[in-house]
Amino acid sequence: GQNIDQPTEMTATEGAIVQINCTYQTSGFNGLFWYQQHAGEAPTFLSYNVLDGLEEKGRFSSFLSRSKGYSYLLLKELQMKDSASYLCAVRVAGSARQLTFGSGTQLTVLP
Amino acid sequence: DSGVTQTPKHLITATGQRVTLRCSPRSGDLSVYWYQQSLDQGLQFLIQYYNGEERAKGNILERFSAQQFPDLHSELNLSSLELGDSALYFCASSGTSERGNDEQYFGPGTRLTVT
Repeated sequence: GQNIDQPTEMTATEGAIVQINCTYQTSGFNGLFWYQQHAGEAPTFLSYNVLDGLEEKGRFSSFLSRSKGYSYLLLKELQMKDSASYLCAVRVAGSARQLTFGSGTQLTVLP
Repeated sequence: DSGVTQTPKHLITATGQRVTLRCSPRSGDLSVYWYQQSLDQGLQFLIQYYNGEERAKGNILERFSAQQFPDLHSELNLSSLELGDSALYFCASSGTSERGNDEQYFGPGTRLTVT
């Protein structure tokens, strides 16, 4: 089975930088995804890592260390609209492509 | 707009009843996934279909079933409903991108309330 851990809540100030960590334990790792979800809305894809290292996409970056079972999502120049839940999800190897999601980190951006 | 559609948006029904949730994937996507999201459980994978065939099963109850039709739309059937089945039900679809990451695109969800 898979086990995914992320902090439940985080608070940061508008314009600042925040790092949301995710640790996982899984057999047959085949990719890690980050999704953003506003309350009552659908999750939207942010980033994907399958190899070690940093993937940058505008204000958002995601890092992966497979040997440590660790990832983080870095959000720069925070805006009020970034207040949302951030979901870490792991895909395992195999023909099925389903994801196992963490419980999410609720980020609140304060003015 | 992800391109995934789900109907209905909201559904209110009584315990013991049966409902059907419908999902149309993005054009060209062969895989459809169903997820349940309740306040205390997070996003839980239920079942996956690929081109009409069941591919993987997650934490899906025996009272729940799904299918994917030749036109690739999918339906999730929930029967003998209980209060605890009240949740947001999401459908997602994926294809195969050039990078092979085939991220899942989520529909807007169906909010089911069982009274």
